[in-house]
Amino acid sequence: DSGVTQTPKHLITATGQRVTLRCSPRSGDLSVYWYQQSLDQGLQFLIQYYNGEERAKGNILERFSAQQFPDLHSELNLSSLELGDSALYFCASSVGQVPYEQYFGPGTRLTVT
Amino acid sequence: AQSVSQHNHHVILSEAASLELGCNYSYGGTVNLFWYVQYPGQHLQLLLKYFSGDPLVKGIKGFEAEFIKSKFSFNLRKPSVQWSDTAEYFCAGPPGNNNDMRFGAGTRLTVKP
Repeated sequence: DSGVTQTPKHLITATGQRVTLRCSPRSGDLSVYWYQQSLDQGLQFLIQYYNGEERAKGNILERFSAQQFPDLHSELNLSSLELGDSALYFCASSVGQVPYEQYFGPGTRLTVT
Repeated sequence: AQSVSQHNHHVILSEAASLELGCNYSYGGTVNLFWYVQYPGQHLQLLLKYFSGDPLVKGIKGFEAEFIKSKFSFNLRKPSVQWSDTAEYFCAGPPGNNNDMRFGAGTRLTVKP
């Protein structure tokens, strides 16, 4: 158990819908990272938040957005969902701003039908 | 493009065989490199990391990796694999000072008992 929690574990939704994935970092960690893992794209970094502020951006689509709240939990919002958004979405956390040692959550498996 | 690449897509070994998984990076400047492991159905876990200093890095579960700057490589090794090492292995690194963590495509290791 890494100490990072993600909800829900599984999500099935239809194209065009919007979903919110939630992540709670390890106690004491200020950074939260979001990743998308799919068979064709592999593991792709989406975005990082550090202490409530966006710190780094990767291959995140405009239809996707994230935020980190004062209690440091983070939400990833995915809208206008397409079939290709079906993937495993991981959250990770680290103590500082740089990803020197990340602890990954169990992931949320999103299926878009 | 700045990236991390893994040569082997799927490696099949018998127990007690030696393991070497290749990883190359294609960026300069500060080099921080990581190996993560993902056991079936589980989240990613950090195996080992390199920041600076001794290029031979020891990790958990008997794994080690050697950073060879002249070859832009950070190969993962284990002298004698066990069935329980069956998993997917990812090499990763943030290019320079960017927090945009790049992951290799992963190498699936199957160890036959």
